[in-house]
Amino acid sequence: ETGVTQSPTHLIKTRGQQVTLRCSSQSGHNTVSWYQQALGQGPQFIFQYYREEENGRGNFPPRFSGLQFPNYSSELNVNALELDDSALYLCASSLSTSGNTGELFFGEGSRLTVL
Amino acid sequence: AQRVTQPEKLLSVFKGAPVELKCNYSYSGSPELFWYVQYSRQRLQLLLRHISRESIKGFTADLNKGETSFHLKKPFAQEEDSAMYYCALIQGAQKLVFGQGTRLTINP
Repeated sequence: ETGVTQSPTHLIKTRGQQVTLRCSSQSGHNTVSWYQQALGQGPQFIFQYYREEENGRGNFPPRFSGLQFPNYSSELNVNALELDDSALYLCASSLSTSGNTGELFFGEGSRLTVL
Repeated sequence: AQRVTQPEKLLSVFKGAPVELKCNYSYSGSPELFWYVQYSRQRLQLLLRHISRESIKGFTADLNKGETSFHLKKPFAQEEDSAMYYCALIQGAQKLVFGQGTRLTINP
């Protein structure tokens, strides 16, 4: 069974640039969620994708967008980067049929630094 | 608004001593709460959920609706319990609201 994988693991961008982060969900999982974890904080929900559609969104501006592909992998795109976007971005996968079990399987994250 | 508060950023106890990591929440409705753990150089993973009423690695957590708390407890701490612990509640299908986390250090 393959776990959640994310790429890249680290990257550095400058203000105003755009970034794309990628995530492969755990084998058999059809739902992908993205979280932002600032230094010293808990993960904060950005959005969730199910069957290639956005299925819920947290308190993040529209410049945060995403995609889910037919193989359930996902991308997180952030446009017009700001300094405060510097954080660890976590991808988590789950099975929609597991209802509200709350068990998400996390990747190791992509650490973004915006200069 | 739904919120999870973990008042202690750092907690240090000696091996064999009891451990209690505090978690308080605000939620309108019947909450479902969880504890997630991140060991050193490992990814974030589910430790336990209140609906299961189970003990995992010696840890238990009881939901107290009157005090809006979901504290994590273990009677005798072990060195391998050192980790970052996050309390979370579920908001909609598989969407979690996390607390800030508590770093637990078990001293030998």
